[in-house]
Amino acid sequence: EVVMTHSPATLSVSPGEGATLSCRASQSIDSNLAWYQQKPGQAPRLLILGASSRATGVPARFSGSGSGTEFTLTISSLQSEDFAVYYCQQYNNWPWTFGQGTKVDIK
Amino acid sequence: EVQLVESGGGLIQPGGSLRLSCAASGFNVNTYYMSWVRQAPGKGLEWVSVIYSGGNTNYAASVKGRFTISGDNSKNTLYLQMNSLRAEDTAVYFCAREWFGGGAFDVWGQGTMVTVSS
Repeated sequence: EVVMTHSPATLSVSPGEGATLSCRASQSIDSNLAWYQQKPGQAPRLLILGASSRATGVPARFSGSGSGTEFTLTISSLQSEDFAVYYCQQYNNWPWTFGQGTKVDIK
Repeated sequence: EVQLVESGGGLIQPGGSLRLSCAASGFNVNTYYMSWVRQAPGKGLEWVSVIYSGGNTNYAASVKGRFTISGDNSKNTLYLQMNSLRAEDTAVYFCAREWFGGGAFDVWGQGTMVTVSS
């Protein structure tokens, strides 16, 4: 199965600053990648699909890029509600697999 | 409003069985691919099982032969029958809808906790 690896595991950011999260696939997955945000006690929320398309209702400060094996989620200016865990998920090769996540916390 | 609501979780002894339900509203479950995804305490997300709109199913290797996914169109509800439960099955179980293009999960339930312990 395709292994998804996040870096870093934890990212400490001040409100208003930008953040760049990385996700690497163990083999090429084209652009079949999604990003999710999860807050404590809540279900994941779809942010990005197709590596770069924002899901309905997702603010423009979230953007995704990459293809093949290297992917990036960028948050341009962190708001208080953005501090959470972010997961990538590939849906190119069965079974669908998730990374272990990057926790974005307040610096 | 599009919504998924899970139920049926609880504390169960190793080797026991449990059936989870996921009631959908705002859309028909039989027109989408529907999955169960689980999250062990403090851990990441793990896809468990899918039922396709045609009724075919697929399972993660870790649950194949023990779990069965099904749907009831008349109740617009998804189920996960879990047998021969193990301690490592302890997790929050989410039902989730794949978006119409396939692959990414655009609607999630709130989750139901399953604890396997003696």
